[in-house]
Amino acid sequence: EADIYQTPRYLVIGTGKKITLECSQTMGHDKMYWYQQDPGMELHLIHYSYGVNSTEKGDLSSESTVSRIRTEHFPLTLESARPSHTSQYLCASSEEQSTDTQYFGPGTRLTVL
Amino acid sequence: AQSVSQHNHHVILSEAASLELGCNYSYGGTVNLFWYVQYPGQHLQLLLKYFSGDPLVKGIKGFEAEFIKSKFSFNLRKPSVQWSDTAEYFCAVLSYNTDKLIFGTGTRLQVFP
Repeated sequence: EADIYQTPRYLVIGTGKKITLECSQTMGHDKMYWYQQDPGMELHLIHYSYGVNSTEKGDLSSESTVSRIRTEHFPLTLESARPSHTSQYLCASSEEQSTDTQYFGPGTRLTVL
Repeated sequence: AQSVSQHNHHVILSEAASLELGCNYSYGGTVNLFWYVQYPGQHLQLLLKYFSGDPLVKGIKGFEAEFIKSKFSFNLRKPSVQWSDTAEYFCAVLSYNTDKLIFGTGTRLQVFP
């Protein structure tokens, strides 16, 4: 069982609210990732980080932002949630090499009303 | 743009039936290939991966996959499925050029006793 945690698991909020999705890992991995997944669709990379103070945007454009102040913590923030942000958000981490296995968290299912 | 195609969106089998899930990728360069699985209520986790060498890769729980470069394919197989194999299966490719995982849309497998 991978030691990567996401909170909350489920979140229902109204339009315009600011939210932060938490992701933490206890494996000491340098690389961390955020994916967005809609039902029946592929996972899309929206953000990634290669280490502390490193953040990059992924392949899918997203209005969210991320930060990496500590190795173990990689939160994702939406300043003003909209219904179009409704989705599942998966956090993952891996060791240094690109070919290393990515370990996934349980995901946060976000619904914006 | 690189892509991964999974031909079967939903597969229903009886226990002891043989399984083959298709996966094709579009990128023609050096690639690493993965199959991830998500059991109901659990994290997405690695099933098996191919980096180089023997194109027939053995994974956990009796799964295997064969890399056929000429066909850009990495199909997942299991000779005899069990009810506990009910899950969603995702094929993914990691390209050396982009250093990113590209996921397919997933195949939902249901196995009935």
